[in-house]
Amino acid sequence: GIQVEQSPPDLILQEGANSTLRCNFSDSVNNLQWFHQNPWGQLINLFYIPSGTKQNGRLSATTVATERYSLLYISSSQTTDSGVYFCAVSTGTASKLTFGTGTRLQVTL
Amino acid sequence: NAGVTQTPKFRVLKTGQSMTLLCAQDMNHEYMYWYRQDPGMGLRLIHYSVGEGTTAKGEVPDGYNVSRLKKQNFLLGLESAAPSQTSVYFCASSFGGTGIMGYTFGSGTRLTVV
Repeated sequence: GIQVEQSPPDLILQEGANSTLRCNFSDSVNNLQWFHQNPWGQLINLFYIPSGTKQNGRLSATTVATERYSLLYISSSQTTDSGVYFCAVSTGTASKLTFGTGTRLQVTL
Repeated sequence: NAGVTQTPKFRVLKTGQSMTLLCAQDMNHEYMYWYRQDPGMGLRLIHYSVGEGTTAKGEVPDGYNVSRLKKQNFLLGLESAAPSQTSVYFCASSFGGTGIMGYTFGSGTRLTVV
């Protein structure tokens, strides 16, 4: 099956700093999503982005499908950005997602 | 508008007991999924459904059964719980076909099997 690798595995930032999270995948995909899992365990969909670039406030994402990677940018980080960020992809029908192991982000004051 | 609701939120089972986890969505989504999340890992797909009356196996289906008798509900059953099934279970739903968009997840069920 498809392999999904995320980097870095852990990241500590001071509030206000910017960061880039990377997701590499091993095959062509028709669905790519970024999720944030907050410290209480809730999974929130950030972006549905199988290709191209999207922005939502301080967050933006870019997927270069031909090169099999996606990037999630967090600008002016806040403590509420802490948690685990997952990239997930699908290659076939039914949008069955394969998840990476995540990037754990801690934003400190 | 509740989105995706999972019940129960917490449960402790003894080895060999059975239970059913309920997932309900009010967004008229066609596709529904059950995932499990173990410490330090991403989510793994257990079973999924592409519409009322349909179910299919995911990556880790052994020891689980599912049913989708109504479009809005997706049930996950454990017939004989084992300690290896201790995990956090997440249900999700999404539009299907050309309307594919992002997933909406429920808040999870934390299950401990002793």
